[in-house]
Amino acid sequence: EPEVTQTPSHQVTQMGQEVILRCVPISNHLYFYWYRQILGQKVEFLVSFYNNEISEKSEIFDDQFSVERPDGSNFTLKIRSTKLEDSAMYFCASSAGVNQPQHFGDGTRLSIL
Amino acid sequence: QQQVKQSPQSLIVQKGGISIINCAYENTAFDYFPWYQQFPGKGPALLIAIRPDVSEKKEGRFTISFNKSAKQFSLHIMDSQPGDSATYFCAARGGGATNKLIFGTGTLLAVQP
Repeated sequence: EPEVTQTPSHQVTQMGQEVILRCVPISNHLYFYWYRQILGQKVEFLVSFYNNEISEKSEIFDDQFSVERPDGSNFTLKIRSTKLEDSAMYFCASSAGVNQPQHFGDGTRLSIL
Repeated sequence: QQQVKQSPQSLIVQKGGISIINCAYENTAFDYFPWYQQFPGKGPALLIAIRPDVSEKKEGRFTISFNKSAKQFSLHIMDSQPGDSATYFCAARGGGATNKLIFGTGTLLAVQP
């Protein structure tokens, strides 16, 4: 069964450094998402992306965050200057259409020191 | 109004028993209600989903009951098995132009053998 893959599984970064989280969505999917889950809390929406542009973003997704689809298979989340509070699990998801189920990857655990 | 409230926070059920997890929402614009199952170290996996024009949906041992007038929906796991032990999240999609999922706070289910 096709799946969303994320790399790395764990990223440790010094506060203030830039970090890029990578995702390969399911191949025929057109809509891409990033969510995050702070330890012990619920999953929170960050951003959705379609047709090479952001279609929606949450309050969490401030100027420090950006997303990009650099080629036909990858979808990335960049955090420009990481803060301690950015420590969380970051999940990528994709869906075939706007009203189709969203399928999640296994996440990247981001630890900011 | 954008919240989805989930209960209980944790649940212990004997093998063969019925597990019931409840969710409630306020926003009547929500148009799709999925349940996700999450094992430790893994991403949320879509389990079953329902739209508000249907009152019940069953897939194997998993059933969603949906009460549109009460703005509540629940997941029932029949004949619960130790392999069902996981965290379960209900979610709701914003409806209209938004495709983001709003998650409940999760229920940690433990099925005792």
